[in-house]
Amino acid sequence: DIQMTQSPHSLSASLGETVSIECLASEGISNYLAWYQQKPGKSPQLLIYYVSSLQDGVPSRFSGSGSGTQYSLKISNMQPEDEGLYYCQQGYKYPITFGSGTKLEIK
Amino acid sequence: EVQLVESGGNLVQPGGSLKLSCAASGFTFSNFYMAWVRQAPTKGLEWVASITHRSTTTYYRDSVRGRFTISRDNAESTLYLQMDNLRSEDTATYYCTRGPHYSGGTYVMDVWGQGASVSVSS
Repeated sequence: DIQMTQSPHSLSASLGETVSIECLASEGISNYLAWYQQKPGKSPQLLIYYVSSLQDGVPSRFSGSGSGTQYSLKISNMQPEDEGLYYCQQGYKYPITFGSGTKLEIK
Repeated sequence: EVQLVESGGNLVQPGGSLKLSCAASGFTFSNFYMAWVRQAPTKGLEWVASITHRSTTTYYRDSVRGRFTISRDNAESTLYLQMDNLRSEDTATYYCTRGPHYSGGTYVMDVWGQGASVSVSS
């Protein structure tokens, strides 16, 4: 199975700050990397797919980058509604696997 | 509006069975792969099973293979998850998710249901 190692486990940021979340795949995933956001008590929502393609309706302050085995999600100009859990996911090979999640809070 | 609505979640004893349903609307169900993803209390996301658009192929995580069965009824736009021989570690919220269009693309889940709660306990 492809392991997705996500870091950090948690972080806090001030409003307007830029934050990054990293995801390391245990083997190459050919850029089949997606990011999801989950708010408390809610279902996850797709933010980014294929490394850097923004899902419809997602604000442009979210961006993704990376290749090979290393990927990252950047949130620019942190807003209150960005608080939540973030997960990376590889869609290259079954079993589909997720990172362990990053909890993002407002400082 | 594109929507997935799960039902069938319940409290069940270890070794028992449960069948989850997911009613899809707002899109051509038969054109998309579908999947179940679960989340144990206070834990992360865990993919459970996927099915191709015409049910030709199914995929399972090792821990549920042989106990769970994913299926679909394209005429009724409904996805199912039959869960047998349930264990305490199967306790989770189960999300119905829409996978990629059959024409191809990366396996992402772009539509999620609200979740169905399954609790396995004596």
